Amino acid sequence: AQKVTQAQTEISVVEKEDVTLDCVYETRDTTYYLFWYKQPPSGELVFLIRRNSFDEQNEISGRYSWNFQKSTSSFNFTITASQVVDSAVYFCALSEDTGRRALTFGSGTRLQVQP
Amino acid sequence: GAVVSQHPSWVICKSGTSVKIECRSLDFQATTMFWYRQFPKQSLMLMATSNEGSKATYEQGVEKDKFLINHASLTLSTLTVTSAHPEDSSFYICSAPGWGLDEQFFGPGTRLTVL
Repeated sequence: AQKVTQAQTEISVVEKEDVTLDCVYETRDTTYYLFWYKQPPSGELVFLIRRNSFDEQNEISGRYSWNFQKSTSSFNFTITASQVVDSAVYFCALSEDTGRRALTFGSGTRLQVQP
Repeated sequence: GAVVSQHPSWVICKSGTSVKIECRSLDFQATTMFWYRQFPKQSLMLMATSNEGSKATYEQGVEKDKFLINHASLTLSTLTVTSAHPEDSSFYICSAPGWGLDEQFFGPGTRLTVL
């Protein structure tokens, strides 16, 4: 069975600090997809990134970056120079076989960025 | 990108009544849709998989007689919460896979409050 663990329940930082959100996953499949979503207070999920298991390249998008390491089954997310608007709950998720299957979500990390 | 809508966005009902939530893929066809439930400050948990033209598949612990799912067409799935009780109060989110191997599109969610 697949599992996603986000050990950090809540993180509080001051604006402009860098913050890393951890995600560790378990799966028996060799083909799988990993996702990160942002959930602001409105509740609507905002897609941030998806990665397939064969692509271990790290990715940077503006202030966001992701570090995928199959050796440690981790897919960590870093926000550089955090802003108040980054305050939200962030979910890491896993889909086995293809990314078109239902997702297994981690428990989420609530990020609060203080001004 | 593809869009998934949900209606209503929020609903308040009395205990014992039934509530129907619609999930529509607006610009693509979806033979499969997923229904998730999210209790306050918790993660998203898959409830069921909705299949066009066949019965829905329910996750363990989800009462199929209470949560009726009908996938009436290639663009519409409905979730009916029958005889709703306060413990059914939750945020219900649907998603649909796109055409690619790694595409998932989430609806904006429906917040159900049962008094």
